[in-house]
Amino acid sequence: DIQMTQSPSTLSASVGDRVTITCRASQSIGRWLAWHQQKPGKAPKVLIYKASSLESGVPSRFSGSGSGTEFTLTISSLQPDDFATYYCQQYHDYPLTFGGGTKVEIK
Amino acid sequence: EVQLVESGGGLVQPGGSLRLSCAASGFTFSDHYMDWVRQAPGKGLEWVGRIRNKTKSYTTEYAASVKGRFTISRDDSKNSLFLQMNSLKIEDTAVYYCGRGVDNGDPRVLIGHWGQGTLVTVSS
Repeated sequence: DIQMTQSPSTLSASVGDRVTITCRASQSIGRWLAWHQQKPGKAPKVLIYKASSLESGVPSRFSGSGSGTEFTLTISSLQPDDFATYYCQQYHDYPLTFGGGTKVEIK
Repeated sequence: EVQLVESGGGLVQPGGSLRLSCAASGFTFSDHYMDWVRQAPGKGLEWVGRIRNKTKSYTTEYAASVKGRFTISRDDSKNSLFLQMNSLKIEDTAVYYCGRGVDNGDPRVLIGHWGQGTLVTVSS
């Protein structure tokens, strides 16, 4: 199975901050990586697919980069609505696997 | 608007069975792969399994943790997805989400849209 490792597990930041979350795959997954946002008590929502493609309707302050085994999700200017947990997920091979999540908290 | 509505969750004893359903609307259900993903209380996301579409002969994939106990099926005539869960264990306690597979023209299929989830509690 492909292991996905996210860092940090928790991130404290202020509104307006630039935030970067890292995701590492245990083997190359090409660009078959998605980022999902989840708010407490809600279903996840896809933000980014194929490592850097922005899902329709997602604000442009979100961006993704990377390929192979190293990926990042960047929020260019953190907004109040962005405080949530973020998960990376590979869809290169089965079983599909998720990172452990990064909780973005208010500083 | 894409809508996925799960139902069928509840309290079940260890060793018991439960069948979850997911009602889909707002898209051509029969075209899409469909997934089940679960989330134990306070924990992260765990993919459960996938069923492909008719073009791919409705073939399935499962996580090792549920293989042989869970079965995914679909009824394209009713725009419905199912998860039959047998031999349930305490560690199967989770919110179960159904997801719509999306390929965006690519050879790989991601989970592109999620339902709101249904809670399954396995306890004596």
